[in-house]
Formats: sequence, structure tokens, C-alpha cells
Amino acid sequence: AQKVTQAQTEISVVEKEDVTLDCVYETRDTTYYLFWYKQPPSGELVFLIRRNSFDEQNEISGRYSWNFQKSTSSFNFTITASQVVDSAVYFCALSGFMKTSYDKVIFGPGTSLSVIP
Amino acid sequence: DGGITQSPKYLFRKEGQNVTLSCEQNLNHDAMYWYRQDPGQGLRLIYYSQIVNDFQKGDIAEGYSVSREKKESFPLTVTSAQKNPTAFYLCASSIDLGPDYEQYFGPGTRLTVT
Repeated sequence: AQKVTQAQTEISVVEKEDVTLDCVYETRDTTYYLFWYKQPPSGELVFLIRRNSFDEQNEISGRYSWNFQKSTSSFNFTITASQVVDSAVYFCALSGFMKTSYDKVIFGPGTSLSVIP
Repeated sequence: DGGITQSPKYLFRKEGQNVTLSCEQNLNHDAMYWYRQDPGQGLRLIYYSQIVNDFQKGDIAEGYSVSREKKESFPLTVTSAQKNPTAFYLCASSIDLGPDYEQYFGPGTRLTVT
């Protein structure tokens, strides 16, 4: 069975601090995709990144960076120099490779991040 | 602007009534999805559609129904058979079905049933 765990329910940081959101996943598939989404207070989910299991390179996009470690089944997300606008719920998600039918996206429970000015 | 609209933002119903949530997209996407979000939980898939006049059940389809008569529209009906309908409902679309294609989400509808 596939499962995504985000052990941190809520995190509060002071503006300009760095913060890492943890994501641990379980899957029997050898090939799969991992995602991060941001849900601001307005409600809609915003896609941040998709990573396939073949590619273990870390990724950096501005203040955001992602650390994918297949050996520990983790896909952690770090925000550097956090800003108030980063306050949101962040979801980690997992999907299969859609070999024979639709492999739906499995979402973790989310981590609520509050950045205090 | 291209995007997904869901209306209304907030919806209140009495128990026993069916209610239909609207989802419209002008992105020319083939695939559309309905998710349910409960506090402290991730999104769970209710229904999805790969193409017009075709849709499939997700993990929690019981008590829900959908239609896909037009490419741009994918309404969700929450029936009286749904035991716990109060939740936040999110609609999404993607160019095609599958993880290769980014899902774009609407702003959601918060349904309260009393």
C-alpha cells in the first residue's frame, strides 16, 4: 500500500528563519512520482514540484529546496529565509507511474506553517 | 484569465438534501478530478474523468455522483446517502490523466450540512 507521512502537524517560525518540512513515504513500486503542493489560506492548491524516483538530485528553486533520499524514503522541503507569504499548509504527495490504470495521487496529511513577522 | 472556478465558496444545506457543487475550467484540459479535504487530513479522491462522458470512482465515491457532459464542466452532487458530507471540496484539472501532468486546482467549496 502507498502512504505518505508528514509528522509535523504545525510549525511556527520567525520570519527569515529557515524551516524544513519532513515527508516520508511508503510504496512497493520501484518507479513513482513525488510532489509538493502549497495551500494558502485562499484554499486552492498550488503545485510546487514533481520528482520522479529515477532522479535523486536535489533541487533548488529560489528560496525553496528539496532533498530526495530514496534510501530513507524521504522527500523533505526546505524554505530558506522564510517570509510571511510562506504561511500555508504544505502537502507532500506520491503517485505511481500509471502502468495499466490511473495511479491516483496519495496526499499526506499536510503541515501547517506559520511564519511570524 | 485561464483557470478553474468553483462556486459557491461556502454552501450550507440541511441534512437529507442533495447538493450540487459546480466546477468549470477554461484551460482546455481533458482530465478533471474531485477531492475531499477534512481537517488534518490530506486530499482524498472522490471521482475523476479522463474525457467527456467518462468518469471513474476514486477512493471515497460512495454518496457522491458526477457527470461530464461538457469538457469544461464536472459538477459533483453530494447526495443524502453521504454519511458525513461536511467538508472542503476541491476540483482540479490536468491536460491528461496521469502524474506526468500537473493538476491545477480551483479555490474550493466549503460545504456545511446541518
